[in-house]
Amino acid sequence: EDQVTQSPEALRLQEGESSSLNCSYTVSGLRGLFWYRQDPGKGPEFLFTLYSAGEEKEKERLKATLTKKESFLHITAPKPEDSATYLCAVQPVYGQNFVFGPGTRLSVLP
Amino acid sequence: GAVVSQHPSWVICKSGTSVKIECRSLDFQATTMFWYRQFPKQSLMLMATSNEGSKATYEQGVEKDKFLINHASLTLSTLTVTSAHPEDSSFYICSAREGGRYTDTQYFGPGTRLTVL
Repeated sequence: EDQVTQSPEALRLQEGESSSLNCSYTVSGLRGLFWYRQDPGKGPEFLFTLYSAGEEKEKERLKATLTKKESFLHITAPKPEDSATYLCAVQPVYGQNFVFGPGTRLSVLP
Repeated sequence: GAVVSQHPSWVICKSGTSVKIECRSLDFQATTMFWYRQFPKQSLMLMATSNEGSKATYEQGVEKDKFLINHASLTLSTLTVTSAHPEDSSFYICSAREGGRYTDTQYFGPGTRLTVL
């Protein structure tokens, strides 16, 4: 069965304190891995798509990396506006549906 | 680009009434649209997948007669919650996948908060 786990469940950082979020997955063939940001009461906002091990993508203070078993979302010098829930999802090669992880709730304190 | 809208953003209705939620892809054609449900502090739960011009595919445990999905065009899908009851109260989110390119990224709408009294 395809599964996605994310750790930590919640993370509290001071402004400027860099850290990483983890997304571990088991899937029978990976078509793509996706990162989203979700603010309370809103729909997820697309961040990155990663397709193959070794691939990296960057956007402002965020950098996503992918290995054969996990992905990391690195946050460099975060700001309070980076506070949100970060969701990871995988798409197996055999289908179009995503399997979502439970998310990591990030709080960045000023 | 890749903007998805939902309407209404919130709705309150009485038990037994039906509610329709619209999902539109504003700047691209969506060959596939997805409907999710999200409970507080939980992740997204896929309810159904709809392809333009064909019947929706529902996930196990989702009542197709209660949650009617219509994907009438490449830019519009609707979810109708029929005979709504308080347990149907939730946050409903749609997403759309752009067809014709090598990308499976789903772009999400802002969500609809449904409260059934």
